[in-house]
Formats: sequence, structure tokens, C-alpha cells
Amino acid sequence: IQLTQSPSSLSASVGDRVTITCRASQGIDSYLAWYQQKPGQAPKLLIYLISNLQSGVPSRFSGSGSGTDFTLTISSLQPEDFATYYCQQLNSYPLTFGGGTTVEIK
Amino acid sequence: EVQLVESGGDLIQPGGSLRLSCAASGFTVSSNYMSWVRQAPGKGPEWVSIIYSGGRTYYTDSVKGRFTISRDNSNNTLYLQMNSLRVEDTAVYYCAKVGSIAGRLSAFDIWGPGTIVNVSS
Repeated sequence: IQLTQSPSSLSASVGDRVTITCRASQGIDSYLAWYQQKPGQAPKLLIYLISNLQSGVPSRFSGSGSGTDFTLTISSLQPEDFATYYCQQLNSYPLTFGGGTTVEIK
Repeated sequence: EVQLVESGGDLIQPGGSLRLSCAASGFTVSSNYMSWVRQAPGKGPEWVSIIYSGGRTYYTDSVKGRFTISRDNSNNTLYLQMNSLRVEDTAVYYCAKVGSIAGRLSAFDIWGPGTIVNVSS
């Protein structure tokens, strides 16, 4: 299953609302997760099963979608949110990640 | 504290072998789904392998027959044996604990900091 993220990069300002899209090549039920990765660090889980916020993750992050189209939203971008974001499907093997979306400072 | 720490990465020649280790603390490896993920320089993460609590294993096609995932319950450690290494196996290798809900995978919820494997002549 291929995951296509858009955009591949974006520039935004602190306080902006940011939306990242992940489209699957076929249905993946609810088995979609979102991760944040900063340079030199491992990915960090943000959202699991489309919309469930991982413990300790700020509530400005939210996930939505169904079937093949999913969205990660950051309601008010903070300085620490500038990073690369990846979606991942866990519905079937091989498990796959999207190509990533880099959120840069405008 | 729940933690994973990888080790064993190295500079290795093509065709060589390497064994990566992932020491877990704060939870029991054998009671969880555990996985390896790699990330080549400048690329996104790529899933490599998973081992179920019951022992079933799965691999991405590019490593089938060359890599083997296993665990040592007494040491609470996950392993990845890598044989016939290729230049394209060069990456940071992460181990991860995989969450599950009602028997289905939910997400990779705990990650180690990674270990670097560099395959080069």
C-alpha cells in the first residue's frame, strides 16, 4: 500500500493552522498513524488509529479521515513543531510510511 | 521508564554480516510486538521487520532471506541479524515497540535513538 503525502514541504508562521494530507493507494480501515521527526532524532508518535492522540502529545495536534484519505492538523503552530511529519499504515504488510512533509519557518 | 537502546551498528563491507541489538527497559519484549525500522540518509523511514509476541515474523521484501529478527527473553533484548549486506542497506536502524489494540497493530509507540549501519567498501 502506497501512502502519498501532500504537500512535501510547507512554510508557515507561528500561530498558523497547518494541514497535512496522506492518501493511501487502497483502503486501510483505521490503521493509520502520524509521527513527528526532528533532525538527528527518532520519529515520535503523535496520533494512532486515525484520530487518537498519543499520551503527552499537545492537543493542538489532531487527526481525521477515513478509507483512503487522512489529515493531520496542527491548530496553532508552535516553534517546537517545525519538523518533518510522516504517516504510516499498519493495515497490511509490508507496513509503509508516507514520503514526509517538512514544516519550515516562514 | 520505558526505553529502548540500540547497539551494534558499524562500518561494514558489502557481503558482510552484522547483528544489531535493542535492549529494552520498563516493559517485556516477549509480551509485545517489536519491530525494526531503517532510515537511509535524507530519506523517510522504511519498515524492515516485525516479531509478534507469539513468535511470528514478517519482513520487507528487500531483506527476506538476508535478515532475521529474534529476541532473547532472558535479556529482554531484540536482535536483527543482517547477512549479505548491500550498499543500499546503509541507514540508521531503529527498534520500536509496536502497540496493539484487539490484536491489531496500532502504532510504533516507543522508539530507540537508533544505530548507524554503513555498508561501504
